[in-house]
Amino acid sequence: QSVLTQPPSASGTPGQRVTISCSGSSSNIGSNAVNWYQQLPGTAPKLLIFRNNQRPSGVPDRFSGSKSDTSASLAISGLQSEDEADYYCAAWDGTLNVLFGGGTKLTVL
Amino acid sequence: QLQLQESGPGLVKPSETLSLTCTASGGSLMSNFYYWGWIRQPPGKGLEWIGCIYYSGSTYYSPSLKSRLTISVDTSKNQFSLRLTSLTAADTAMYYCARLHNERAYGMDVWGQGTTVTVSS
Repeated sequence: QSVLTQPPSASGTPGQRVTISCSGSSSNIGSNAVNWYQQLPGTAPKLLIFRNNQRPSGVPDRFSGSKSDTSASLAISGLQSEDEADYYCAAWDGTLNVLFGGGTKLTVL
Repeated sequence: QLQLQESGPGLVKPSETLSLTCTASGGSLMSNFYYWGWIRQPPGKGLEWIGCIYYSGSTYYSPSLKSRLTISVDTSKNQFSLRLTSLTAADTAMYYCARLHNERAYGMDVWGQGTTVTVSS
């Protein structure tokens, strides 16, 4: 059971906008930044969003993140088939103990 | 462009000790901006934080693994390592090393390709 709670699955059709939620508590998301990772099948995770809503260079602006109180969300607009992947939120508890969400499997229908 | 590469045995017996090494190329471990971490992923499951180390040797461990875990760094070889004792089948996983960027909220922005570890007799 992960400390950060994500829905196990999400889906959408090409072109659609989907959101993935991540719920935590005051000791993790409520006090620290949230990062998001994308893991394509059979590959290592990739940093998608850092510090709640910042994109590393090379990440399309279709991906956006937000945080409010003890929850965070990842939004993907203009959904594409190549977005089909597992998505993980992560936050630390203030002592460099990183907490991961359980992951959300995104299916593009 | 920094690259990370994990190495170690693919098969370890129960109760034995796992030793993995992550070798960095194209960049130095000796930077004020980064920590160097280990993450694992059991088959078909999600990501699990193991711990990280700063080039000076300061370490931060997952509370659930702390009693069995040692992470060390060898800056002369540009490597950092993981040692996990008293292995059980629950330690079977893909093990990744990664760079944590302290200006990116410790986001892990560079990952190794991962190495599979199976605990079995």
